[in-house]
Amino acid sequence: QKEVEQNSGPLSVPEGAIASLNCTYSDRGSQSFFWYRQYSGKSPELIMSIYSNGDKEDGRFTAQLNKASQYVSLLIRDSQPSDSATYLCAVSRGGGADGLTFGKGTHLIIQP
Amino acid sequence: ETGVTQSPTHLIKTRGQQVTLRCSSQSGHNTVSWYQQALGQGPQFIFQYYREEENGRGNFPPRFSGLQFPNYSSELNVNALELDDSALYLCASSPRGPNNSPLHFGNGTRLTVT
Repeated sequence: QKEVEQNSGPLSVPEGAIASLNCTYSDRGSQSFFWYRQYSGKSPELIMSIYSNGDKEDGRFTAQLNKASQYVSLLIRDSQPSDSATYLCAVSRGGGADGLTFGKGTHLIIQP
Repeated sequence: ETGVTQSPTHLIKTRGQQVTLRCSSQSGHNTVSWYQQALGQGPQFIFQYYREEENGRGNFPPRFSGLQFPNYSSELNVNALELDDSALYLCASSPRGPNNSPLHFGNGTRLTVT
């Protein structure tokens, strides 16, 4: 059974601070890792993808991957109230036939 | 703008009925995937279609079935609806066949079964 675990939160962060979101996964065969943002009542929106160990930065977002520890994280710098949402971690073996396995998401609240 | 469009936006059905949800893939994308997202949960993989054939399936019963058409649009059919089928149904398309491409979801169809 492939599992992706996230702290459901809510995680409350002051505006302007760094928000740190974490995710662990059980399938060592996972090759692709994604972070999605989902506003209430909306569909998930892809914000980051990462495939190799280390950090990947895109604007205010940094994804970090450690395959040995089976751990993925997302850092959001200079957090804004508009970042308040549920963040979903998703992993895949690649090839697509198994689909993405999602965690339940972390609810992030940015306090003005 | 993902280019993936789903219809209808909302739907209310009665237990035991059948429902068809539709998805129009982004231009040039030949692979489509369907996911079910229950309230408070992450999306769960239903199945994937590539070149009109199902080439991957999650842990969903046979009453969940699909079609992909030559123009790469797709349908999700659910028979004998149950109350637990109430969820947001998401469609995503990707290019170049099943691979590691990130998925971009459509706006979803919210199905309520009463």
